[in-house]
Amino acid sequence: QKEVEQDPGPLSVPEGAIVSLNCTYSNSAFQYFMWYRQYSRKGPELLMYTYSSGNKEDGRFTAQVDKSSKYISLFIRDSQPSDSATYLCAMSSPGGSEKLVFGKGTKLTVNP
Amino acid sequence: DGGITQSPKYLFRKEGQNVTLSCEQNLNHDAMYWYRQDPGQGLRLIYYSQIVNDFQKGDIAEGYSVSREKKESFPLTVTSAQKNPTAFYLCASTPQGLNSPLHFGNGTRLTVT
Repeated sequence: QKEVEQDPGPLSVPEGAIVSLNCTYSNSAFQYFMWYRQYSRKGPELLMYTYSSGNKEDGRFTAQVDKSSKYISLFIRDSQPSDSATYLCAMSSPGGSEKLVFGKGTKLTVNP
Repeated sequence: DGGITQSPKYLFRKEGQNVTLSCEQNLNHDAMYWYRQDPGQGLRLIYYSQIVNDFQKGDIAEGYSVSREKKESFPLTVTSAQKNPTAFYLCASTPQGLNSPLHFGNGTRLTVT
């Protein structure tokens, strides 16, 4: 079983839809969870950073971590065409940032 | 504007040639990283450096080399020993501190023919 599993999609939704992106993981030592957004031919940019379990909200974005199920989610409300990108989950156990493990990314298209 | 600058954006080389990718940051970050991104694969760590004049191999260091002579700079050389060098290369940095999120540059697309 891979350490981090992420459905690559592609996922296509109409503008205004609620988008749910998910990752599962196998390493129970993971405590730091991140979501990155990557536009085509650009570097990833950090969207959300959470520690341990719980929810975190930032504007239209909500990150959820369920450590008991080893499952993390990113919700995008009122999705916009500008949200069209690849979304990468990443997570790590305590230690250096070199321990970060990435999902393969989910490609999202929001259609006007 | 603080950030990470990778140059060039696109690079073309013939097989058998070494090539060096540039990464410069003005964020005053201590740690720097090189990742490789291939279609359908997650980011894979090539090398990282937590301090000047020191660096460690990541998961796929074979065929690559780095140097860290200045805090701001972390160039990556793709040598002729790298069997499949065509990829998108990403440089990242973090401030000192455990589990800080990575800040990425905009990448260099290397094509070797």
